[in-house]
Amino acid sequence: DADVTQTPRNRITKTGKRIMLECSQTKGHDRMYWYRQDPGLGLRLIYYSFDVKDINKGEISDGYSVSRQAQAKFSLSLESAIPNQTALYFCATSDFISSVTDTQYFGPGTRLTVL
Amino acid sequence: QKEVEQDPGPLSVPEGAIVSLNCTYSNSAFQYFMWYRQYSRKGPELLMYTYSSGNKEDGRFTAQVDKSSKYISLFIRDSQPSDSATYLCAMSAGGGSNYKLTFGKGTLLTVNP
Repeated sequence: DADVTQTPRNRITKTGKRIMLECSQTKGHDRMYWYRQDPGLGLRLIYYSFDVKDINKGEISDGYSVSRQAQAKFSLSLESAIPNQTALYFCATSDFISSVTDTQYFGPGTRLTVL
Repeated sequence: QKEVEQDPGPLSVPEGAIVSLNCTYSNSAFQYFMWYRQYSRKGPELLMYTYSSGNKEDGRFTAQVDKSSKYISLFIRDSQPSDSATYLCAMSAGGGSNYKLTFGKGTLLTVNP
């Protein structure tokens, strides 16, 4: 089984709908991240969490919210989806012990299309 | 000036060629340098990391860092069709901000049989 899983893998929705993307990990890592990837813009950090009680905004958090339900689960919500949120979304994890190198392990991604 | 610049390519080479992928950066605080490989429809996976100037070799891959010039490279020897992917450079300052990776936009590489 994959260490970092994301559901759904693909989602098409309409403008104004609420969407939740879910991430689970079996790596036992304490840190979790949400990124979006757009052609020509690379990977950009949306939110990150160092533990269940520590959640922080990244560089592009507007229009998004997150929930860290447990050490292994980190969800990203779009409260009212808009077309420019169409992108590839990645969850990642890292281990505080080895974080001197900040090795981040990525999930397979969710392709979200907002019509 | 963006913190990290990476030529997006695309780069197309014949099998067996030596490939050179490069990134430049402007932030002197960056101390840790990584290369990720991303296959189509997959998440990025860590290929190599280094934190000192000089070369680090792993099989057919060599990562090179020149902190004085703020320039990093990834060399692929004897390139294979299976190396076809997007390569992303990433950097962090370490210490208290070591969680924050700054990525290049990625270079799309195609190795033709």
